[in-house]
Amino acid sequence: DGGITQSPKYLFRKEGQNVTLSCEQNLNHDAMYWYRQDPGQGLRLIYYSQIVNDFQKGDIAEGYSVSREKKESFPLTVTSAQKNPTAFYLCASRRQGARAFFGQGTRLTVV
Amino acid sequence: GNSVTQMEGPVTLSEEAFLTINCTYTATGYPSLFWYVQYPGEGLQLLLKATKADDKGSNKGFEATYRKETTSFHLEKGSVQVSDSAVYFCALNGRHDYQLIWGAGTKLIIKP
Repeated sequence: DGGITQSPKYLFRKEGQNVTLSCEQNLNHDAMYWYRQDPGQGLRLIYYSQIVNDFQKGDIAEGYSVSREKKESFPLTVTSAQKNPTAFYLCASRRQGARAFFGQGTRLTVV
Repeated sequence: GNSVTQMEGPVTLSEEAFLTINCTYTATGYPSLFWYVQYPGEGLQLLLKATKADDKGSNKGFEATYRKETTSFHLEKGSVQVSDSAVYFCALNGRHDYQLIWGAGTKLIIKP
């Protein structure tokens, strides 16, 4: 089945630690996105990528980094510079101008 | 620039009540419009969409009509169920191909 997969579903990070969230899609979509969602809040764009080896900052990119070495993969690293990383992270992909497909999300908690 | 405004939640209704969640937008051109639903602890799923003026999107008893004259895409359902409890997001394509512009989301609570 075609789809978009995020892993892990739950992730715990210690203070000062970098962690990487995985996002893989087999839909052959060019564009991929990372969003952050805080409790009771909407979606805020962290990074997006329209094509392999290219990505752009969204509205809240500070403390995060991404790579897009393959079309299928768009991992997000939450660095120690992100002071408040506890949130629900959503990855999405889409073809140009079409609907977005979302992963099931990763809930990151700082311990 | 393009933007989306949704009614604030939470919206609390009794089962079998009529639902309206308002969504208005500002946009240049004729963007596609979407409603997504998010169940607790999950990602977003497309609920319905409309790609041009006067189009009506429908799915699972939900409907929304693309109204160019009022720049609106209100979500409606004639008789809600407890299982419809979720957060609903209105969205539209931005000026650039990569952009999806999101509303803030409206939490819907249906009581038995």
